[in-house]
Amino acid sequence: DGGITQSPKYLFRKEGQNVTLSCEQNLNHDAMYWYRQDPGQGLRLIYYSQIVNDFQKGDIAEGYSVSREKKESFPLTVTSAQKNPTAFYLCASSPLGGGQETQYFGPGTRLLVL
Amino acid sequence: QKEVEQNSGPLSVPEGAIASLNCTYSDRGSQSFFWYRQYSGKSPELIMSIYSNGDKEDGRFTAQLNKASQYVSLLIRDSQPSDSATYLCAVPFGGFKTIFGAGTRLFVKA
Repeated sequence: DGGITQSPKYLFRKEGQNVTLSCEQNLNHDAMYWYRQDPGQGLRLIYYSQIVNDFQKGDIAEGYSVSREKKESFPLTVTSAQKNPTAFYLCASSPLGGGQETQYFGPGTRLLVL
Repeated sequence: QKEVEQNSGPLSVPEGAIASLNCTYSDRGSQSFFWYRQYSGKSPELIMSIYSNGDKEDGRFTAQLNKASQYVSLLIRDSQPSDSATYLCAVPFGGFKTIFGAGTRLFVKA
């Protein structure tokens, strides 16, 4: 089956801790995205990547970091600098990343602060 | 500031009725428009995309686009309880940035 997987489904972060959210796709898509969703709000772009070894900041990149070492993988690290990390995190991909294409979403990771 | 506006709802309709969901956007240059459905606690899934003025139909769903008025809508005919979800309007604003509306919550009463 082709698709996007995210893990874990739930993640708990302690104060001062960095945590990494996994995103893997086997759709052979070039572009990948990370969004944050807070209750009652739309999706906000954190980072995106068009190709391997390249990524760009979105609207709310502060306190987050990413890497794109493989086409299939785009992990997101929530650092201790992100003071309000509790949210639903969604990874997405699109075929060419031209911005006009459908984005396909993974199942999401819900991050909670202990 | 690029914006996509939706009525947050909730919009409540009886089973079998037509549900009408509306979205306005700020950038006159936008060329493509997407509707996603998101069930509670789940990720968004694509319902419809539309690129040209007018109507586009897919089963019980019809997307309507009016670029002059910067308005896109989604009609759901013969609404079913399983249609109860939040519907997100998404508009790419050039490059890689897509702006998502906050969504309209739809409740279909059996």
